[in-house]
Amino acid sequence: DQQVKQNSPSLSVQEGRISILNCDYTNSMFDYFLWYKKYPAEGPTFLISISSIKDKNEDGRFTVFLNKSAKHLSLHIVPSQPGDSAVYFCAARTTSGTYKYIFGTGTRLKVLA
Amino acid sequence: KAGVTQTPRYLIKTRGQQVTLSCSPISGHRSVSWYQQTPGQGLQFLFEYFSETQRNKGNFPGRFSGRQFSNSRSEMNVSTLELGDSALYLCASSLEGQGYGHEQFFGPGTRLTVL
Repeated sequence: DQQVKQNSPSLSVQEGRISILNCDYTNSMFDYFLWYKKYPAEGPTFLISISSIKDKNEDGRFTVFLNKSAKHLSLHIVPSQPGDSAVYFCAARTTSGTYKYIFGTGTRLKVLA
Repeated sequence: KAGVTQTPRYLIKTRGQQVTLSCSPISGHRSVSWYQQTPGQGLQFLFEYFSETQRNKGNFPGRFSGRQFSNSRSEMNVSTLELGDSALYLCASSLEGQGYGHEQFFGPGTRLTVL
């Protein structure tokens, strides 16, 4: 039962354009959402997060949007750069029982120069 | 500050064997979590250790176990290896654990191949 879903396994975007990565979730008990970026042969690195009480959080070129009614999370990267090419994971923290993080399956972003 | 280190980086084993992976967290971090990454499944949570105690556990069989030492270093063990255990095993450390701070710092992972 995949509670956090990233339905697009891959995405290609031209340099300078906007990249939009999407994530859907099914559990209303998630209280925190995060995005991680992963390069080959490296562990994931934290990118940006958003609390469930907010609908937007911005950090430089990265903005995360949360639509609680649709149970949908998105990451916008503007402008996209070739160095952004990586696998992006969304994750959600569950508050039911003990805290733990549920990760999506990842979206491979390729930014074309 | 040194990051999270994992050893070994690559490992090849055969079915039925057992394996031990090691993780050294960032200095001062007391929580260590383990994840399994496979294609199409994303990162699956295995367990979290805090102050030498398992605080949280994912839905993996009992063949997967772990422990944490007094210096916060952690090991995970997989016994009776199966082909499906081939994966990248990631370790993540954080100051107080998953319930208190949301940022986990990941190591580069151990790539386990089971033949």
